[in-house]
Amino acid sequence: AAGVIQSPRHLIKEKRETATLKCYPIPRHDTVYWYQQGPGQDPQFLISFYEKMQSDKGSIPDRFSAQQFSDYHSELNMSSLELGDSALYFCASSFPQGRDEQFFGPGTRLTVL
Amino acid sequence: KQEVTQIPAALSVPEGENLVLNCSFTDSAIYNLQWFRQDPGKGLTSLLLIQSSQREQTSGRLNASLDKSSGRSTLYIAASQPGDSATYLCAVKNSGGSNYKLTFGKGTLLTVNP
Repeated sequence: AAGVIQSPRHLIKEKRETATLKCYPIPRHDTVYWYQQGPGQDPQFLISFYEKMQSDKGSIPDRFSAQQFSDYHSELNMSSLELGDSALYFCASSFPQGRDEQFFGPGTRLTVL
Repeated sequence: KQEVTQIPAALSVPEGENLVLNCSFTDSAIYNLQWFRQDPGKGLTSLLLIQSSQREQTSGRLNASLDKSSGRSTLYIAASQPGDSATYLCAVKNSGGSNYKLTFGKGTLLTVNP
């Protein structure tokens, strides 16, 4: 069965650089979520999209932005990277309308040097 | 604000033992509850999903129960195996509006010794 795809799997950036993370949800899933998991921490919700519109916003820094495109894939854009942004970034998708089980991608490990 | 607590934080058992992991949440207005498994540095694998109207769900050696009114869930693992060693995370989805995010507990680190 198709799963959530995230790219890249690993990313190394310098402070103050920008990064773009991509997420491809399971086909026909209409809701995408982004979570951040710092070292030794539980995943924290960042932002979600339903039918290409932002549906909820969590503890996402103003330096980050995200969107969902017409093909339902989503991108998380991170600017002015800080050391504290080093984390695992997960994308999850669900259907229908976000009420169902969330399936997580393998994550993107971002390291900021 | 929803808060999820998992007890114990770590558990070490010998192979073959049955065990119970606990999860509690402060706001009982939930839509559903998911149990996940996470291997070190890896992604989250969904184990079981319990809807708010359900009392339990079973998958193989795993059984999850939900007592929504008391804000508790348990994950029962039967006949544990070394391959079960991982961090187990409980997450709840609150009901109401378009807020479908998951709120996670900090997890229970399980070690099953051969």
